[in-house]
Amino acid sequence: GNSVTQMEGPVTLSEEAFLTINCTYTATGYPSLFWYVQYPGEGLQLLLKATKADDKGSNKGFEATYRKETTSFHLEKGSVQVSDSAVYFCALRSQGGSEKLVFGKGTKLTVNP
Amino acid sequence: EPEVTQTPSHQVTQMGQEVILRCVPISNHLYFYWYRQILGQKVEFLVSFYNNEISEKSEIFDDQFSVERPDGSNFTLKIRSTKLEDSAMYFCASSDPADRIDTQYFGPGTRLTVL
Repeated sequence: GNSVTQMEGPVTLSEEAFLTINCTYTATGYPSLFWYVQYPGEGLQLLLKATKADDKGSNKGFEATYRKETTSFHLEKGSVQVSDSAVYFCALRSQGGSEKLVFGKGTKLTVNP
Repeated sequence: EPEVTQTPSHQVTQMGQEVILRCVPISNHLYFYWYRQILGQKVEFLVSFYNNEISEKSEIFDDQFSVERPDGSNFTLKIRSTKLEDSAMYFCASSDPADRIDTQYFGPGTRLTVL
């Protein structure tokens, strides 16, 4: 079945450091791919998405590129801020009409001043 | 900005008791979902609901679970006889019929603890 694997956390960085959170997936066809973020005490918020191969999703300085050849959707940010501290979830929605999102385990990011 | 709300934020119950988790989706949304996350594990899909019926459910969503939209604003998840393994964070989500494929809006979750 479909699955998502993300790098284990927690990840701790200093402000202005470069961030990469790895995400790979297993699915047939061309799933839609998402990154969600959960700030403390809040719900999951959509951060960015990509719906076809080679698409790049971007938002708030974060980027991720849909790589079909490596079945990956790694999240990157060039310069993190303290306010980026949160849990990040990679997810997919399979091609073909299923509504459900399949999530990775989440990666907790802490950014220190 | 409209948001999904959930109550209570934390529910403690005894094994075998019934619980109802409540959600208020975004007002113009018509697709509703429940997910759960057992501590340390992945967020898992439970069920989706549209037009007053279940449109998709997972293997987890057995006869002990039910969902209802009792009025125009609430969406509930009922667990009839809770088990220890039902302890988890439960997330409600909703989506716009014009945008349902792309964006599900999540609530902050209800932490259910079964003793």
